[in-house]
Amino acid sequence: DSGVTQTPKHLITATGQRVTLRCSPRSGDLSVYWYQQSLDQGLQFLIQYYNGEERAKGNILERFSAQQFPDLHSELNLSSLELGDSALYFCASTSGASIGELFFGEGSRLTVL
Amino acid sequence: AQSVTQLDSQVPVFEEAPVELRCNYSSSVSVYLFWYVQYPNQGLQLLLKYLSGSTLVKGINGFEAEFNKSQTSFHLRKPSVHISDTAEYFCAVNFGNEKLTFGTGTRLTIIP
Repeated sequence: DSGVTQTPKHLITATGQRVTLRCSPRSGDLSVYWYQQSLDQGLQFLIQYYNGEERAKGNILERFSAQQFPDLHSELNLSSLELGDSALYFCASTSGASIGELFFGEGSRLTVL
Repeated sequence: AQSVTQLDSQVPVFEEAPVELRCNYSSSVSVYLFWYVQYPNQGLQLLLKYLSGSTLVKGINGFEAEFNKSQTSFHLRKPSVHISDTAEYFCAVNFGNEKLTFGTGTRLTIIP
């Protein structure tokens, strides 16, 4: 158990819809990362937050947005969903004290029909 | 351009045989190197990392990796694999920024 909790574990929705994925980082971790894992693209970095502020941005679509709340949990919002958005979305957290030692949740599997 | 390459998408290996999973990167700056493992239906877990110092790094579950700066490689090795090593292995690189860039992964299949 990494200590990172993601909900929901599975989500099935239709094209055009909007969903919210939630992540609770490990206790004490200030930094949260979101990654998308798909068969054709592999693991793609989406966005990072540190203590409530956006720190780095990767290949995140404009239809996607994220935020980190004062209690440090984070949400990834995906809107106007397309079939190609079907993927496993991972959240990872770190204290920042050790470079690269990210602790991953078990992921949220999104299926868009 | 900065990139991470895992040329082998799948590697089948007989049980108790040695294995090497290859990882190469492209960068003109100093890097930090990692291997992560993903077991079926689970998140990624850190196997080992190279930040500085000795180029031979030992990790969990008997894995080790060697950093070769001249060849820009960080290959993962294990002298004798077990069925429980069946998983997907990801090489990851920190190019001196805030994020990890992952390779496309290598699926290791252990043949009994």
